[in-house]
Amino acid sequence: DAKTTQPTSMDCAEGRAANLPCNHSTISGNEYVYWYRQIHSQGPQYIIHGLKNNETNEMASLIITEDRKSSTLILPHATLRDTAVYYCIVLESGGYQKVTFGTGTKLQVIP
Amino acid sequence: DTEVTQTPKHLVMGMTNKKSLKCEQHMGHRAMYWYKQKAKKPPELMFVYSYEKLSINESVPSRFSPECPNSSLLNLHLHALQPEDSALYLCASSQEVLAGLSATNSPLHFGNGTRLTVT
Repeated sequence: DAKTTQPTSMDCAEGRAANLPCNHSTISGNEYVYWYRQIHSQGPQYIIHGLKNNETNEMASLIITEDRKSSTLILPHATLRDTAVYYCIVLESGGYQKVTFGTGTKLQVIP
Repeated sequence: DTEVTQTPKHLVMGMTNKKSLKCEQHMGHRAMYWYKQKAKKPPELMFVYSYEKLSINESVPSRFSPECPNSSLLNLHLHALQPEDSALYLCASSQEVLAGLSATNSPLHFGNGTRLTVT
């Protein structure tokens, strides 16, 4: 599976959009980009995933560059409850998944 | 609340004790996972079960013994642990997708973990 690179930490003002970048320059054609987050003292929570098109759900939007070498997770109106560690992971399609977490980005939403 | 239930939430055990962690899901998922997470570190994969069979063992010491008695339950039996085994143990499940049938992926659903302290 391809490796990912994320900033160690980011701050975002409450109510503003949080844009979390991820580099995955060695991603291959059948690998998806997944985002999870982990709020303190809880298990990781799935947010969104995509292959090459941009995706949106009730939690977030995922923007994947045309060359698929990087992506951005967007939380459109960050709240204090979005403070968490955000993990970007790339995975092949199908079967059970050997999901390996990197160090992620610690997002702090500031009042 | 999560759809993956882990019990107990907290566990303190001595190095000579035998204990078990339990995980249950009723989403019909056929892949189940154990992860270990030390403080301020990302979760590390320990085991993967697919259709109740052990598919991945990430070179975990034998003092950790997984068991999948049926498609809804996953246990982790603990024996002769060391203080450095103190961690948050996370269970997860996902919908198994047979290779070749679908390119759709099923995300992992995690429980909130068991906080284990070995004294």
